[in-house]
Amino acid sequence: EAQVTQNPRYLITVTGKKLTVTCSQNMNHEYMSWYRQDPGLGLRQIYYSMNVEVTDKGDVPEGYKVSRKEKRNFPLILESPSPNQTSLYFCASSPLIWTGAGEQYFGPGTRLTVT
Amino acid sequence: AQTVTQSQPEMSVQEAETVTLSCTYDTSESDYYLFWYKQPPSRQMILVIRQEAYKQQNATENRFSVNFQKAAKSFSLKISDSQLGDAAMYFCAYRSAISSYKLIFGSGTRLLVRP
Repeated sequence: EAQVTQNPRYLITVTGKKLTVTCSQNMNHEYMSWYRQDPGLGLRQIYYSMNVEVTDKGDVPEGYKVSRKEKRNFPLILESPSPNQTSLYFCASSPLIWTGAGEQYFGPGTRLTVT
Repeated sequence: AQTVTQSQPEMSVQEAETVTLSCTYDTSESDYYLFWYKQPPSRQMILVIRQEAYKQQNATENRFSVNFQKAAKSFSLKISDSQLGDAAMYFCAYRSAISSYKLIFGSGTRLLVRP
């Protein structure tokens, strides 16, 4: 089954304790992206990757890191989490085609709480 | 920069009735895609319908249809014969066809369905 998986689905942590949220897709997609969802703000892009070893900042990258060492994986790293990073996080992937409305496939979401 | 605006934080509809969710957007680009995503309580992001800007014909998917007004930069979603399972958060989203794969989301509209 074609899918995007994220782990963990729920995480409660404390300020300053490094954490990683994993994202993996099995569709051989070149494009992968992380979004955060906050009430009243919709989803906003954190980082994206056009292919292996190619990553770039989105609209809200502060406090986050990413890496793309393999095509299927795109982990999100919070080196020193703070309470303002409490949010719902989504990973998404898409093939790199400009023609046609290439659908982005979303993972199930990770609910992160930083106390 | 492109923006997407959903001015209705919450809407309510009687089961079996029709409801329209509003979305406006701002862009200087002429080629782009528009989407409506549904987010039920499970938090999964589900693509409901998509529209290519170069197509004049409004997209339709079963009970879901859009009213795309390119000149007015308006993209509303009509849900006919509303069902209890339609209760969810609905997000309007924009994606450029030429400059970026990033999805730009509105703030969302919560749809309540009354039995």
